[in-house]
Amino acid sequence: AQSVTQLDSHVSVSEGTPVLLRCNYSSSYSPSLFWYVQHPNKGLQLLLKYTSAATLVKGINGFEAEFKKSETSFHLTKPSAHMSDAAEYFCVVSGPEGSSASKIIFGSGTRLSIRP
Amino acid sequence: EAGVVQSPRYKIIEKKQPVAFWCNPISGHNTLYWYRQNLGQGPELLIRYENEEAVDDSQLPKDRFSAERLKGVDSTLKIQPAELGDSAVYLCASSLENGGNEQFFGPGTRLTVL
Repeated sequence: AQSVTQLDSHVSVSEGTPVLLRCNYSSSYSPSLFWYVQHPNKGLQLLLKYTSAATLVKGINGFEAEFKKSETSFHLTKPSAHMSDAAEYFCVVSGPEGSSASKIIFGSGTRLSIRP
Repeated sequence: EAGVVQSPRYKIIEKKQPVAFWCNPISGHNTLYWYRQNLGQGPELLIRYENEEAVDDSQLPKDRFSAERLKGVDSTLKIQPAELGDSAVYLCASSLENGGNEQFFGPGTRLTVL
């Protein structure tokens, strides 16, 4: 069984300050982990993914995430927030990779607001 | 390259009426997903196809929902009859294969049941 928990439903930061969106997962096997972003009235877009290679994953738009197995976490960070980062962010767990029994579970989402 | 195409983009119906959604995935993607996204929540997987085979439909309410992907390319999702609680955005996504691959999402169909 697997699950994913996004610890904050809403995060607000000032422009130019760091962003931290938290995600914890539970999985009985080595999972694949993703972060997706959803801007208002736009489709979901992949930010980055972890699939058992390097634990620090770099994505688009300056975002990165670190896979910490001991903490079962996959938090999303960005050093300096930009107004265009305001959106809904989803943490996703899936696996086992390549299996027809693979499950895909989205977190409940974190809304990121950027203050000028 | 064209992305995932969904139609219609918006649909308003009265309860107890039928409704259908259509999805055309990215060319060459053999895995297709249908999700439902309620307001303020993350997408919930309804059904996943590997080519024309439904390999995970455990979350599909089979009393009123049905789906098909007859030739392993485009797909339709149907609700009959619709209920008030079915109001949501229905998302279609595709990927090269299941597992650790990126899913590409369509714009979704916003369904309102009155």
